[in-house]
Amino acid sequence: DVKVTQSSRYLVKRTGEKVFLECVQDMDHENMFWYRQDPGLGLRLIYFSYDVKMKEKGDIPEGYSVSREKKERFSLILESASTNQTSMYLCASSFQIRDRATYEQYFGPGTRLTVT
Amino acid sequence: QKEVEQNSGPLSVPEGAIASLNCTYSDRVSQSFFWYRQYSGKSPELIMSIYSNGDKEDGRFTAQLNKASQYVSLLIRDSQPSDSATYLCAVFVRGGNNRLAFGKGNQVVVIP
Repeated sequence: DVKVTQSSRYLVKRTGEKVFLECVQDMDHENMFWYRQDPGLGLRLIYFSYDVKMKEKGDIPEGYSVSREKKERFSLILESASTNQTSMYLCASSFQIRDRATYEQYFGPGTRLTVT
Repeated sequence: QKEVEQNSGPLSVPEGAIASLNCTYSDRVSQSFFWYRQYSGKSPELIMSIYSNGDKEDGRFTAQLNKASQYVSLLIRDSQPSDSATYLCAVFVRGGNNRLAFGKGNQVVVIP
């Protein structure tokens, strides 16, 4: 079974704090993703990575950065947390099988972040 | 035009009935389509993948793909209370940033 884990299920931080969200997958997936999910807005892609030390901006990268130093680990960093970053943060991973263009993504359990 | 649209509002179905969910997409060359189930407060769980036109059945779930009309649907037969969840449609979007585009989801409520 694919297993994607996230460092915290619930997190409460103060405005201005630097926040680190960690994600680890154990399936040797090339691709890893960070999303946030808000009521009425659906899933929105923040950043993704196709390889170690590689990152690409998603739809809403402002206020976030990422780090991928090892294939299995992808970190999301909120440089200076703000109240509008209160959200559910979801990490996902997938293989890249180019000949079939398959792209099944598997999600971690999510981190509910509250910024006060 | 949104990449993936799920326009139906919450769907209430009696236990044992068929729940039908629809999704349309804008990218004509998309090849890979997925349905995720998400329980309240939980993360999305992949339940179906479909790559070819026609039907694909897995237990009580059937995914239907029509590339010419650019829609994909999900049928849940013999609906159970445990099927009550939000169902997300996702489409693989080719381009400079190969990624999945997600619909906003449809909530299904199965009434015992």
